Amino acid sequence: NAGVTQTPKFRVLKTGQSMTLLCAQDMNHNSMYWYRQDPGMGLKLIYYSVGAGITDKGEVPNGYNVSRSTTEDFPLRLELAAPSQTSVYFCASSPVPWGTSNQPQHFGDGTRLSIL
Amino acid sequence: GENVEQHPSTLSVQEGDSAVIKCTYSDSASNYFPWYKQELGKRPQLIIDIRSNVGEKKDQRIAVTLNKTAKHFSLHITETQPEDSAVYFCAASSGGTSYGKLTFGQGTILTVHP
Repeated sequence: NAGVTQTPKFRVLKTGQSMTLLCAQDMNHNSMYWYRQDPGMGLKLIYYSVGAGITDKGEVPNGYNVSRSTTEDFPLRLELAAPSQTSVYFCASSPVPWGTSNQPQHFGDGTRLSIL
Repeated sequence: GENVEQHPSTLSVQEGDSAVIKCTYSDSASNYFPWYKQELGKRPQLIIDIRSNVGEKKDQRIAVTLNKTAKHFSLHITETQPEDSAVYFCAASSGGTSYGKLTFGQGTILTVHP
């Protein structure tokens, strides 16, 4: 049981390049989340999903896209990378289903992304 | 939307002392309040959480209190140890149609001096 697995751990991109950050969980959790954490700051929600085929925007969605074709995977795509997207990206999952009380979120180890 | 304020931003204590971190939230519908510990370069890890139907929860040296009327909650760490040094984040969520979305505070850097 690996929990939440993020790949890659580190990546350097040039402005304008695109890439996909991968996130997979093996806990059969319904909900998955993407956060970014800028240096010395808290976590801000980018996108989230409450189940396969369902995604919605969080607090800072601009410049990102997501998809959720399976329960296990929730990739985050940067189409035209910009220096302002330099950050640490964390994926999390939670068993919370629709409209019920919250459950703890379990985080992956993060992807450190630098955009030059 | 929800707004969570966390204070202090840095906290320095001597080993064995207590540490208290406070958070306020804006959305009266929030009903779930987790606390995460993040060591340098590591993932946030849940250390304790509390729901709005409970006023206090303890787990060994860690406790959390919640005042729904004042919309604030606090983390208390007793008998601090050097390994408690980390960044601590509070968060809030309103359940229901928020689908578990968390709003995080800005974090508190706790340093425990031996």
